[in-house]
Amino acid sequence: DTAVSQTPKYLVTQMGNDKSIKCEQNLGHDTMYWYKQDSKKFLKIMFSYNNKELIINETVPNRFSPKSPDKAHLNLHINSLELGDSAVYFCASSQGGGRGVYNSPLHFGNGTRLTVT
Amino acid sequence: QQPVQSPQAVILREGEDAVINCSSSKALYSVHWYRQKHGEAPVFLMILLKGGEQKGHEKISASFNEKKQQSSLYLTASQLSYSGTYFCGTSWRGGSEKLVFGKGTKLTVNP
Repeated sequence: DTAVSQTPKYLVTQMGNDKSIKCEQNLGHDTMYWYKQDSKKFLKIMFSYNNKELIINETVPNRFSPKSPDKAHLNLHINSLELGDSAVYFCASSQGGGRGVYNSPLHFGNGTRLTVT
Repeated sequence: QQPVQSPQAVILREGEDAVINCSSSKALYSVHWYRQKHGEAPVFLMILLKGGEQKGHEKISASFNEKKQQSSLYLTASQLSYSGTYFCGTSWRGGSEKLVFGKGTKLTVNP
């Protein structure tokens, strides 16, 4: 029944490791996003995909690589994890094509709390 | 170009009113409002798309002043359940297809 689901909910790992976060939406939306929320609660967009096509790629280290196998899934792979990567990562989706973000609400997943030690 | 929210924090007693502002240095196309409770995901409240548009959601409403490049969120007769952090998200005319969020306003409603 969950609209946007992320796994895992918690991820604790050591510096230098590689990890992935998975996201799936069953709303039939065309656009999916990754947002990062740091300890100060700032929500910052990282990536956006529309129908499997990358449309937003913010200034994110290239250790972060998104992959969208189909429009219902958007995964995030992180290589060589660093302490500063610790944050909550939210997946979101919205209806509409490239301009969808302007007039459609974002539906967020429950977040993945990543802790790098 | 992150929108600026004010105030940063508000503490209310149940039944009191509050206003949260969101302003931009660039001409706005749309403004979104979300509420995030501690440990949870942000939840959509409303979108305003036109200058002067006002929308309501329960006892929470918002206005969009295109000329002033700002939006305000009005919470009337606050309830305990209104506690959380409120974020505005803005997009701009001619901007890329992304929604940029403000730093949030933490609202605490006490009995």
